[in-house]
Amino acid sequence: EIVLTQSPGTLSLSPGESATLSCRASQSVSRIQIAWYQHKVGQAPRLLIYGASSRATGIPDRFSGSGSVRGSGSGTEFTLTISRLEPEDSAVYYCQQYGSFFGTGTKVDIK
Amino acid sequence: EVHLVESGGGLVQPGGSLRLSCAASGFTFSNYWLTWVRQAPGKGLEWVANMNPGGSEIHYVDSVKGRFTISRDNAKNSLYLQMNSLRVDDTAVYYCARSGVEAAYDYWGQGTLVTVSS
Repeated sequence: EIVLTQSPGTLSLSPGESATLSCRASQSVSRIQIAWYQHKVGQAPRLLIYGASSRATGIPDRFSGSGSVRGSGSGTEFTLTISRLEPEDSAVYYCQQYGSFFGTGTKVDIK
Repeated sequence: EVHLVESGGGLVQPGGSLRLSCAASGFTFSNYWLTWVRQAPGKGLEWVANMNPGGSEIHYVDSVKGRFTISRDNAKNSLYLQMNSLRVDDTAVYYCARSGVEAAYDYWGQGTLVTVSS
């Protein structure tokens, strides 16, 4: 079982700043199997990034994903970057290995 | 437009059963993997179970194996989750989701609340 650990647990930032969210896998994961989701209270989760770095339909380019991978296309460190933060970006963000477990989540609070 | 609508949640006593449904529209249901994901109060998202388009490949998280059964009716564009021997720690909002682009969950329902309590 692959465990996905996200850090930090909470980020408190101001509008206009950038957020860097980390997702570390307990063992190597193919980058094409990593997704990121945004989850706001009372709403359905929303897909942001798939394949570690591809934006889902309708997601602004302020959201970007990357991964530190080896030549095999696998790795253990993945990052979601949110630039030019807006108040509506306040949410919990999860990484996930497709068809399986989610990460522990990072709460982003924009004030 | 793709829509997923869950139903069937409610209050049930420990040891009881519930059947959740997810009605889909706006896409060719029989072409997609489908998934149940839950979120317990104050906790993160937890993948529960998924099923391939034909229903021949199914996976469960260990904590629900032997108690929950995922199924689908492609003729009715519906996904189900039969939950038996419910425990207090099964209390959660249950979401159905579609595995779309490269198998990521691209569409989700709004969720249905299951409360297991005496």
